[in-house]
Amino acid sequence: DTGVSQDPRHKITKRGQNVTFRCDPISEHNRLYWYRQTLGQGPEFLTYFQNEAQLEKSRLLSDRFSAERPKGSFSTLEIQRTEQGDSAMYLCASSSTSLLAGGLGTQYFGPGTRLLVL
Amino acid sequence: SQQGEEDPQALSIQEGENATMNCSYKTSINNLQWYRQNSGRGLVHLILIRSNEREKHSGRLRVTLDTSKKSSSLLITASRAADTASYFCATDGNTGKLIFGQGTTLQVKP
Repeated sequence: DTGVSQDPRHKITKRGQNVTFRCDPISEHNRLYWYRQTLGQGPEFLTYFQNEAQLEKSRLLSDRFSAERPKGSFSTLEIQRTEQGDSAMYLCASSSTSLLAGGLGTQYFGPGTRLLVL
Repeated sequence: SQQGEEDPQALSIQEGENATMNCSYKTSINNLQWYRQNSGRGLVHLILIRSNEREKHSGRLRVTLDTSKKSSSLLITASRAADTASYFCATDGNTGKLIFGQGTTLQVKP
């Protein structure tokens, strides 16, 4: 499999519960991004990693959100004490900064995890 | 926050016609990318145009970029029903993150 994968694809949870999503990037990509998309809107940036370092976080990423990429490969996004406003599609993307890998900045997206908080 | 606006928000055409979508942005960019999203799915990368390029082609797609006007357009020629989707432009500054517009919803009627 050469694409970005995300798990689970769908998640239904009750308000106040914690949820964790996983993203597996394209194997040679050193950058990994998380975005959130609500209905009828374009994706909004949440955070990104270069290798294992988290380089930028959006103001959208409240204290209840945490993301990790411990070995510079897969990443997890955890939402604690979920709220109904967290219901959205969570998208992961990866890219390469290596010119040898064609690293022009193209980001390749996974299928997303759709979260519904009841 | 969104980078800019896409125009039109919705477009409905007949199969075989051309579809043109426009995108405006606010800040300086390294490149601009166009993505397609089928309903409820992830984004599929279509084309990337660098800030020093003015036009780029890929199959039935043609993208133009006017950095003086901070705008881009995506032309899909000879549209097909399978082109029905939402189309987003996204800009990439120096930070690596993409900033998306709100998208254009294209419906191609068979």
